[in-house]
Amino acid sequence: GQNIDQPTEMTATEGAIVQINCTYQTSGFNGLFWYQQHAGEAPTFLSYNVLDGLEEKGRFSSFLSRSKGYSYLLLKELQMKDSASYLCAVMDSNYQLIWGAGTKLIIKP
Amino acid sequence: GAVVSQHPSWVICKSGTSVKIECRSLDFQATTMFWYRQFPKQSLMLMATSNEGSKATYEQGVEKDKFLINHASLTLSTLTVTSAHPEDSSFYICSARDVMASGGPGETQYFGPGTRLLVL
Repeated sequence: GQNIDQPTEMTATEGAIVQINCTYQTSGFNGLFWYQQHAGEAPTFLSYNVLDGLEEKGRFSSFLSRSKGYSYLLLKELQMKDSASYLCAVMDSNYQLIWGAGTKLIIKP
Repeated sequence: GAVVSQHPSWVICKSGTSVKIECRSLDFQATTMFWYRQFPKQSLMLMATSNEGSKATYEQGVEKDKFLINHASLTLSTLTVTSAHPEDSSFYICSARDVMASGGPGETQYFGPGTRLLVL
C-alpha cells in the first residue's frame, strides 16, 4: 500500500529553526510536495522536489532523498504566523497526490 | 498567480437536502479539477478527479450517486452532495490544474479556499 508518515505535532520557539520530516512508500514517484495549511483554510503550496537535494526558498527549504524515501521541510527564523499544519504529499505513478496526515506546528514566543 | 474560487464558502443545511458547491478557475483553463474532503484534524482525502467533458473518476469508497460531479467547462466544476446527512459535514476543497502553465506540477495546481458544510 501507499503510506506517508510525518509527526503529528511539533512545538518550536519564535526565531528558532524547526525541521519537519516526512517518509513515504508509494507506487511510483513523480515528486514530493510540501503545503502549509492554516486552520480553516485551504492548503497553500510551499515547495516541490523531484530530484535529490535541497531546494531553498527564503526562510523555507525542502530536502529530498529518493533512495531513502525521505524528505524534510526546514523552517528558519520562525515567526508566529508560521503556526499551521504542514502537509507532505507525494505524486505517484498515476500523477495523483498521496497526502500525509499533516504536522501541526505550534510556535511559542 | 492563478486563482481558484469556491462558492459558497459556508453552508448550513437540513438533513436530506442537496447542496451544490462550485469551483471556478478565474484566470486560467483547467481541464482537470480535483475534489477533496477534510475532516477535523485529518489530512486531505481525494474524493474524485474531474475532467472537462467526461465523467469524473471517483476514489474507492466514494459514492458517485451521492457526490455528483459535473465539469461542463474549462473553468467550472461543481460538486453536488445529494441527500446530505450529518456525517457529510466536512470541509470540501477543490483544486485545479493549469495545463498551460510552465514549471513543475507543484506550481501548476491551485487550491480553492474551501467550502465548509454543516448538515443539521
